[in-house]
Amino acid sequence: KAGVTQTPRYLIKTRGQQVTLSCSPISGHRSVSWYQQTPGQGLQFLFEYFSETQRNKGNFPGRFSGRQFSNSRSEMNVSTLELGDSALYLCASSSQTLGGTEAFFGQGTRLTVV
Amino acid sequence: QKEVEQNSGPLSVPEGAIASLNCTYSDRGSQSFFWYRQYSGKSPELIMSIYSNGDKEDGRFTAQLNKASQYVSLLIRDSQPSDSATYLCAVNERSSNTGKLIFGQGTTLQVKP
Repeated sequence: KAGVTQTPRYLIKTRGQQVTLSCSPISGHRSVSWYQQTPGQGLQFLFEYFSETQRNKGNFPGRFSGRQFSNSRSEMNVSTLELGDSALYLCASSSQTLGGTEAFFGQGTRLTVV
Repeated sequence: QKEVEQNSGPLSVPEGAIASLNCTYSDRGSQSFFWYRQYSGKSPELIMSIYSNGDKEDGRFTAQLNKASQYVSLLIRDSQPSDSATYLCAVNERSSNTGKLIFGQGTTLQVKP
């Protein structure tokens, strides 16, 4: 069974640009969550999508947005990039319909903003 | 603000010893608890989940949950150098009724040969 696939693995962008990250969940999983990981803040929840609907959103500015497609694949977009957006962005896939089931992470996208 | 607290370490144990990693959480309504292992430069890997009070064993790993004390722990028996990693405790945010996980800052484990 294929795992969670994130593309691209690495990105270098310039301040002010925008970026789109992609996540393909485990087959059959309908929930996709996005997290940002930095050395100072650790793993922080960005948002979760389930059946193409955003179910929950973390405390991030509106520059961070996402969407989910009918095949459960998800994209995350960051507009007007800032230096502080440099981080590892992780996507987690889960089959859960109510809270509580296991989430599996992709390899992550390492974003560097210069 | 719901929180998950872990000692950042590093926790250093000799090879073959038992490593004990601890985690406390603030949301008394939480029902689902997870331990992830993260090697440097890699993504988190789920190693244990626990939902009921008591112990859950899987190979060399044992997760322990005490909801009354709001405490979760992970024991690693016969620690190996390959267990050297950061261990992240995660708690499902029950109030949101979604898959949102709240993570601790992680405990770095060093297993010395």
